[in-house]
Amino acid sequence: AQKITQTQPGMFVQEKEAVTLDCTYDTSDQSYGLFWYKQPSSGEMIFLIYQGSYDEQNATEGRYSLNFQKARKSANLVISASQLGDSAMYFCAMRDFTGFQKLVFGTGTRLLVSP
Amino acid sequence: DAGVTQSPTHLIKTRGQQVTLRCSPKSGHDTVSWYQQALGQGPQFIFQYYEEEERQRGNFPDRFSGHQFPNYSSELNVNALLLGDSALYLCASSRRGELTYEQYFGPGTRLTVT
Repeated sequence: AQKITQTQPGMFVQEKEAVTLDCTYDTSDQSYGLFWYKQPSSGEMIFLIYQGSYDEQNATEGRYSLNFQKARKSANLVISASQLGDSAMYFCAMRDFTGFQKLVFGTGTRLLVSP
Repeated sequence: DAGVTQSPTHLIKTRGQQVTLRCSPKSGHDTVSWYQQALGQGPQFIFQYYEEEERQRGNFPDRFSGHQFPNYSSELNVNALLLGDSALYLCASSRRGELTYEQYFGPGTRLTVT
């Protein structure tokens, strides 16, 4: 069974600084995908970034990058130059490639960006 | 191009009642998944529909059932509501067979059971 662990219930960062949100995972699958989603107070899950298990390069999307360490089974999200609008819940998730697209989520990290 | 839509936005029900939540997938998507997100938790997978059939199910009782229509829209039904069913219910759509990774989520329906 797949499992995602996010050990940081809350994180604080000042505007314009970088922050790393931790995510470790457990799976026996060889092929899998790792995701980060942002959930503002409105509730909608917003896709941020994706990393495939066979991708050799770390994924980047604008200010978001994913620090993928396969041997350690970690997929940390790095947000550079934090903005006030980054304040939200952040969820790490994974899926396998069996043909079904079920996502398994962690418990999330609440990020608060201060001026 | 409309994204995933869900209705209603909020709902208040009494224990023992039944509820139906609705989801319209993003244009071009044929697969709908439902998730339950309790307060302070990550979303939990309920089930997934493709070609009008339930294809995969999470660890939820039979009180939770669903349906998918020929236009790919979907309903989630919950019978005999319990207080513990209070949660945000999220619908996500995707296209079967694609290796594109992104599931598009709707804004959710917040269900309160009193």
